[in-house]
This record gives sequence, structure tokens and C-alpha cells, in this order.
Amino acid sequence: DQQVKQNSPSLSVQEGRISILNCDYTNSMFDYFLWYKKYPAEGPTFLISISSIKDKNEDGRFTVFLNKSAKHLSLHIVPSQPGDSAVYFCAASSYSGGGADGLTFGKGTHLIIQP
Amino acid sequence: NAGVMQNPRHLVRRRGQEARLRCSPMKGHSHVYWYRQLPEEGLKFMVYLQKENIIDESGMPKERFSAEFPKEGPSILRIQQVVRGDSAAYFCASSPRSTGQPQHFGDGTRLSIL
Repeated sequence: DQQVKQNSPSLSVQEGRISILNCDYTNSMFDYFLWYKKYPAEGPTFLISISSIKDKNEDGRFTVFLNKSAKHLSLHIVPSQPGDSAVYFCAASSYSGGGADGLTFGKGTHLIIQP
Repeated sequence: NAGVMQNPRHLVRRRGQEARLRCSPMKGHSHVYWYRQLPEEGLKFMVYLQKENIIDESGMPKERFSAEFPKEGPSILRIQQVVRGDSAAYFCASSPRSTGQPQHFGDGTRLSIL
């Protein structure tokens, strides 16, 4: 049973436009969410995170939005650049137990930025 | 290089052999995590360790797999009597003491079983 779902395996966006990647989760215990970017043959690179006490977090061109009632988060990249072409993973965790536990990942969305 | 270091990057084993994967966390990080990624899949959590302690091994297969993080030296993921289904990319991540901090990943070990 997938607790973190990324329903779009791929997304194609024109350079300079906004890229919106979506993620849904089912476990209401999740309270910390992260986005990672991954190139082939490399490890995931941390992009941005958000705690459940917030509904938005921004870092440069990247913004993450969290809708707890819908159990949905999204990553906005604006403007999109060719170097943004990669696989993007949504991940979630629960810190309610007082310690850091393993992340639950979605299957990823392959973002392709077209010139 | 202050990042998470994994070695080897590629490992080839024959069925029945043992595989040992190593991970050195980022400086100052005392939490280590191991994940496995199968083709076309996301990363799956395997085990979470702190120095000399296994905190959560709920994602580890019950047989043939073990992990350690000794007081000195890197964390080791050991797979005994490997089978074809163990072929995957294995990633290690580390994080600092405090909660709410992101995990930072190494570049992984690609394990191939002949």
C-alpha cells in the first residue's frame, strides 16, 4: 500500500514556465515533508522541506505548498530551467515519536524542461 | 568532500556470495539510514542506525540482511548469500542529531548479482 503517491510519472514543461509537481499521502501521522531531485547514477539531492505546522515554504525558485486537509503537497519551480530536468521524489516522515525515522518516498516524477 | 560517502559505487557478486556496502555519514551527523531502490521505483527505507545502535529495522528483510554502525568507522550493510532479486541501488543517508532536519544522501552502490 503506497502511503506517498506521485501520480504523474512524467511532466514536460517549457523553459521559463512554471513546473508544478504533485504528491498525495494517506498516512495522517506524517508531519514532515521533503522534495528531492535525482539525476541518473547519483543520489537524491535535498531541495526543500515543510513541516505540518506550515502551509508554504519558499527557497529561491522553489516553493512547496502543503494542504493538510487534502493530504496533498506540491512543488512549484519558477522559472523552469534546463538543469531542472531530473526525477523529483516526494518524501514524508513522522517526528511525533520524538526521533527521526525513515522516509517514505513516492515513485517519482520525471520532469523534462524543453527549450 | 563533506558529503555522504558510499563505496563501492558498483559491486558485482555471484549468487550465494556476500555483499558488503559501506557508508560514511556527513561530518557531525550521527543518524544513518539505508534505502533500496529497485528499477522504476522510489526508495524504500530499510534500517535506521545511530552509533552502535539499531533504532528501526522495520524495512529490513528478516533473513540474510544485517546492518551495523560501529563506534569507529563507517556503517556497513551486509547481504549474505545474495540472490538475483537483491540487484538494486542501495543508498545511504545521514542527518544531524536534531529532528526536523533533512536527510542527505550518498550516490549509492549499484549491486548486480550474476
